[in-house]
Amino acid sequence: KNQVEQSPQSLIILEGKNCTLQCNYTVSPFSNLRWYKQDTGRGPVSLTIMTFSENTKSNGRYTATLDADTKQSSLHITASQLSDSASYICVVRSGGSYIPTFGRGTSLIVHP
Amino acid sequence: ETGVTQTPRHLVMGMTNKKSLKCEQHLGHNAMYWYKQSAKKPLELMFVYNFKEQTENNSVPSRFSPECPNSSHLFLHLHTLQPEDSALYLCASSQGTVTDTQYFGPGTRLTVL
Repeated sequence: KNQVEQSPQSLIILEGKNCTLQCNYTVSPFSNLRWYKQDTGRGPVSLTIMTFSENTKSNGRYTATLDADTKQSSLHITASQLSDSASYICVVRSGGSYIPTFGRGTSLIVHP
Repeated sequence: ETGVTQTPRHLVMGMTNKKSLKCEQHLGHNAMYWYKQSAKKPLELMFVYNFKEQTENNSVPSRFSPECPNSSHLFLHLHTLQPEDSALYLCASSQGTVTDTQYFGPGTRLTVL
């Protein structure tokens, strides 16, 4: 069964600090992995997409990594800002499938 | 949020009511999706439409009935819902389907009494 597990479930950090969110998956065959940011009361917004051959991809202060051998991904946030407070969702798609597998998300709170 | 809009933003309905959710995308995309987001659960894909044709029904109960009159509009008709159907219903669109980035609307918060 395809599964995506995210950790931690929630995280509180101080503004300016860095943090790393984890995503482990068992989706097969692997096609791509996305990280989404979902602000409260809004729909998810795509941050990065990674395919099998990509190890690292950055989008501003967000850097995603992918280890296809261990089926793990991480999202690193540098110099956090209050606006980073949101839910971060890892989504993995298997080859040729319309139906992606979503993680439950990590709820990040950045305090001033 | 002018890319994908959803109405209403909030809806409260009884189990015997009939209501509809509306989604409109202004991005010129060909594919549209309905998702259900329940508290403490992962997003669940419900339906996929590509060029107005339904290409995926992810085992959704018949009390949810989608309609896609054109590639810019998507509806979700609701009837005889259950309290466990209370959730955030999200609409999304993408240029293609499998690998293209999906753009989400703000969602409709549905409460079934």
